[in-house]
Amino acid sequence: EAQVTQNPRYLITVTGKKLTVTCSQNMNHEYMSWYRQDPGLGLRQIYYSMNVEVTDKGDVPEGYKVSRKEKRNFPLILESPSPNQTSLYFCASSFTIAGEQYFGPGTRLTVT
Amino acid sequence: ILNVEQSPQSLHVQEGDSTNFTCSFPSSNFYALHWYRWETAKSPEALFVMTLNGDEKKKGRISATLNTKEGYSYLYIKGSQPEDSATYLCAANNNDMRFGAGTRLTVKP
Repeated sequence: EAQVTQNPRYLITVTGKKLTVTCSQNMNHEYMSWYRQDPGLGLRQIYYSMNVEVTDKGDVPEGYKVSRKEKRNFPLILESPSPNQTSLYFCASSFTIAGEQYFGPGTRLTVT
Repeated sequence: ILNVEQSPQSLHVQEGDSTNFTCSFPSSNFYALHWYRWETAKSPEALFVMTLNGDEKKKGRISATLNTKEGYSYLYIKGSQPEDSATYLCAANNNDMRFGAGTRLTVKP
């Protein structure tokens, strides 16, 4: 089944404790992206990647890191999480930059 | 930088009504305009991706048009059904992707 998977789905953590949210797709997509969704603000892009070893900042990259060492995986790293990073996070992928995006199930993160 | 605006923010219609929403975006430096449907507690699902001025796409009762010269797209739903209730997102991309805040549609039986 073609899909985008994210883990964990839910996470409660404390300020400053490094965490990684994994994202994996099995559709051989080149473009992958991370978004955060906050009430009233819609989806905002954090980082995106147009191919292996190519990553770029989106609209809200501060406090996040990503890597794209393999085509299928695009982990999101929070080196020192803060409460303002409490949000719902979505990973998405598409064949090309302008292709329709397939979204993962979301990760709800709470930082206390 | 692309700023994407959607209107209205929310819409309540009766079953059987036809409705439409607007998405506006800066028309320069543009690759594609996307529409997504987002139901509560689920993930966004793609409806359409359009790239050319004058593009029209249709999927069942839902259709969309694109005007890249003036920077807007319309999404139309004909004969709304309760299962159409969702938030409809548009997004414009060059290399990055900018989403509007969405239009929340509620269809009453």
